[in-house]
Amino acid sequence: GEDVEQSLFLSVREGDSSVINCTYTDSSSTYLYWYKQEPGAGLQLLTYIFSNMDMKQDQRLTVLLNKKDKHLSLRIADTQTGDSAIYFCALRGDSNYQLIWGAGTKLIIKP
Amino acid sequence: GAVVSQHPSRVICKSGTSVKIECRSLDFQATTMFWYRQFPKQSLMLMATSNEGSKATYEQGVEKDKFLINHASLTLSTLTVTSAHPEDSSFYICSARTGGGDPYEQYFGPGTRLTVT
Repeated sequence: GEDVEQSLFLSVREGDSSVINCTYTDSSSTYLYWYKQEPGAGLQLLTYIFSNMDMKQDQRLTVLLNKKDKHLSLRIADTQTGDSAIYFCALRGDSNYQLIWGAGTKLIIKP
Repeated sequence: GAVVSQHPSRVICKSGTSVKIECRSLDFQATTMFWYRQFPKQSLMLMATSNEGSKATYEQGVEKDKFLINHASLTLSTLTVTSAHPEDSSFYICSARTGGGDPYEQYFGPGTRLTVT
């Protein structure tokens, strides 16, 4: 089955850029998502990218997709303390609506 | 819009008892609801998919007699953990799908922390 890998932790200084990486095995995914999970709150969809795109930018967020290497990344520019959360990548095939999830990367902001 | 609530947010129960968790779509009709289980430092594990008015489809390895799912209306799904044991302690998350074709399809509840003593 599909396997989605993420590093468990990322530590960055406030104001720097954060880059969270995700690798996957199934190249048939049509939608690739980034979700944010904060304590006590539901998973929040941050952004998504279609499989026919290489890059998508939305304010401080930049998503890069390298289909050849099956690598997805999320870059957060000018990281703030409010960005502290767990970030999940998730993939969806075209045939159903189920999502395949990575384990999540906890983003830690150092002052 | 597209808010999903869960109740309760936290529950502690004794081993052998049953616990019911509610998932509601507050401002939209959810044709499909999903139930996930999340372990610390692990990804979300899909337990089952339920469509309103029909039986839930359980993922492999999930005991349907232990995790009873009811999706009786377009805004409510319930998960009942029957005869709970300490190994059932986990974070349970539901999500709901509007039925539309856009990629923002699943909206997530805040989760329910179940602790079985």
